[in-house]
Amino acid sequence: RKEVEQDPGPFNVPEGATVAFNCTYSNSASQSFFWYRQDCRKEPKLLMSVYSSGNEDGRFTAQLNRASQYISLLIRDSKLSDSATYLCVVHNQAGTALIFGKGTTLSVSS
Amino acid sequence: GAGVSQSPSNKVTEKGKDVELRCDPISGHTALYWYRQSLGQGLEFLIYFQGNSAPDKSGLPSDRFSAERTGGSVSTLTIQRTQQEDSAVYLCASSLGTSVNEQFFGPGTRLTVL
Repeated sequence: RKEVEQDPGPFNVPEGATVAFNCTYSNSASQSFFWYRQDCRKEPKLLMSVYSSGNEDGRFTAQLNRASQYISLLIRDSKLSDSATYLCVVHNQAGTALIFGKGTTLSVSS
Repeated sequence: GAGVSQSPSNKVTEKGKDVELRCDPISGHTALYWYRQSLGQGLEFLIYFQGNSAPDKSGLPSDRFSAERTGGSVSTLTIQRTQQEDSAVYLCASSLGTSVNEQFFGPGTRLTVL
């Protein structure tokens, strides 16, 4: 089983749609979880951290289910500018490195 | 303020040659990381520095890969006797203090081995 698994997509949605991405991780000892965003041929940038209680940042909501080792990202009212690859990221057990999923590609069209 | 910078932005080399990739982290960031991203693949961790020491180099794929960091700042990733499978984008990231903080990535060096 890969350490971090994501549905690669692509997800093609119209503007204004709600879209959800899912991710599973294999190491139950992982302590820190993130969603990063990567635009085409650019470096990844932190979108948001993911907390056990769930957290929201504007149109973005992240959830963590430790029992199922499952992370989700919900994007409401999609914008054209949301088009990117969304990377599910988990800290390794030692806390020394980020383990990245391969990413889920989102394309928002008008 | 200045972000993480990397040089060169692109490097084309012939199989068997050595290459050096440079990373300048954000000033004051004690933690520095190297990753690589191959076409169609996720980011792969290579090595982690805290200050000038590398407590985790478990991601280096072979002994042809090495890295150093001097003055708690600039880092160099060296690949000896490059192979075609080394072609990838090599990304450097830095963070404040411990590794649980947000990592800020540089723009990467795109390495092509012919």
